[in-house]
Amino acid sequence: GAVVSQHPSWVICKSGTSVKIECRSLDFQATTMFWYRQFPKQSLMLMATSNEGSKATYEQGVEKDKFLINHASLTLSTLTVTSAHPEDSSFYICSARKVGTTGELFFGEGSRLTVL
Amino acid sequence: AQSVAQPEDQVNVAEGNPLTVKCTYSVSGNPYLFWYVQYPNRGLQFLLKYITGDNLVKGSYGFEAEFNKSQTSFHLKKPSALVSDSALYFCAVRDVLSGNTPLVFGKGTRLSVIA
Repeated sequence: GAVVSQHPSWVICKSGTSVKIECRSLDFQATTMFWYRQFPKQSLMLMATSNEGSKATYEQGVEKDKFLINHASLTLSTLTVTSAHPEDSSFYICSARKVGTTGELFFGEGSRLTVL
Repeated sequence: AQSVAQPEDQVNVAEGNPLTVKCTYSVSGNPYLFWYVQYPNRGLQFLLKYITGDNLVKGSYGFEAEFNKSQTSFHLKKPSALVSDSALYFCAVRDVLSGNTPLVFGKGTRLSVIA
């Protein structure tokens, strides 16, 4: 199998603080990870593509200074929501593609962020 | 450009009846097609994929999907629905020649199986 672990599952923080979400591929290497955001009863919105050892590629409309992405190793990518505000409250999901596969993504369990 | 359409926001089916969740796609080349399921407050779970070969693909939990190139469709089916199948289902596509790009997802279809 291909397991992606995401931590934390739930986080509540005060407005103005920063929150870091980790995404790990537990049993495979992932040169590329993708970060999605999901609003209630809506589809997945791709935020950015995270490539190991290089800068992330952000989708149009996603603030790179607000959502910092680091992919320091082949098994770990992190998303840091800086100076969080209530409108950043959402469900964030990471996914990883196994090196050499035909393209399916393996997803973490998601992180629900609530900013008070 | 790649795109996926899931024309139904909601599908309701009685337990034991067959279910179909529709998906059509658009790619410039040949597609890789995927179905995922999402339970409340959870990530997405991979159900099945079409890469090449047989048009009828079997996946997890008794689900299957049929690739129809002429209709550019990849409908998800199950012969006998269970209440536990109630969830949000996403269809996704990727062009075979698109390199290391993310999947493009449909907006999702909520399946409700009624006992």
